[in-house]
Amino acid sequence: DAGVIQSPRHEVTEMGQEVTLRCKPISGHDYLFWYRQTMMRGLELLIYFNNNVPIDDSGMPEDRFSAKMPNASFSTLKIQPSEPRDSAVYFCASSLLEASRGTDTQYFGPGTRLTVL
Amino acid sequence: GQNIDQPTEMTATEGAIVQINCTYQTSGFNGLFWYQQHAGEAPTFLSYNVLDGLEEKGRFSSFLSRSKGYSYLLLKELQMKDSASYLCAVREYNNNDMRFGAGTRLTVKP
Repeated sequence: DAGVIQSPRHEVTEMGQEVTLRCKPISGHDYLFWYRQTMMRGLELLIYFNNNVPIDDSGMPEDRFSAKMPNASFSTLKIQPSEPRDSAVYFCASSLLEASRGTDTQYFGPGTRLTVL
Repeated sequence: GQNIDQPTEMTATEGAIVQINCTYQTSGFNGLFWYQQHAGEAPTFLSYNVLDGLEEKGRFSSFLSRSKGYSYLLLKELQMKDSASYLCAVREYNNNDMRFGAGTRLTVKP
């Protein structure tokens, strides 16, 4: 398997522009997570999906952020309008709850480094 | 909610042993994870504990005490490539999301 795929790897945009980040989870995984990482705040969970349904979006900072998962192999995180304080690395991760092992290791994608000028 | 605390930085010598501690508070514990993250890269899974005790995996071991809200990651025979940030993460009962600590940046010196 190719692992979790994210695109783009780097994004530089100007304040006020719309930004769309994309993620393809590992095939067969039924959980998908979006995280944001900054030096100041560390790794923060934004939202996660189970079987394409959003379960917990309490980490989404504000209404400018939205996430969708139209099918099991694709998810997007959109920021509209973007602001300089949104600059961070955004990670997507996926997992499969392996009940027999009692573990659900999350596999992270390479991340998208977003810079908002 | 959860408070997850771990030291910000640690330094150790190549070949030595280092222990990275993590304390947490949670309303319903359902597993503790350790991840390694090299600079500029994504976190990668190291270990998982849900029951008290020690889990050993090669040079890395992880310990959990649920009653104390405490875990540690033990790295033996340190190598230069072990220089990285180590993230402690806790999962809450009936949820599948995880909350991460701020991470401990480990520097291994020759």
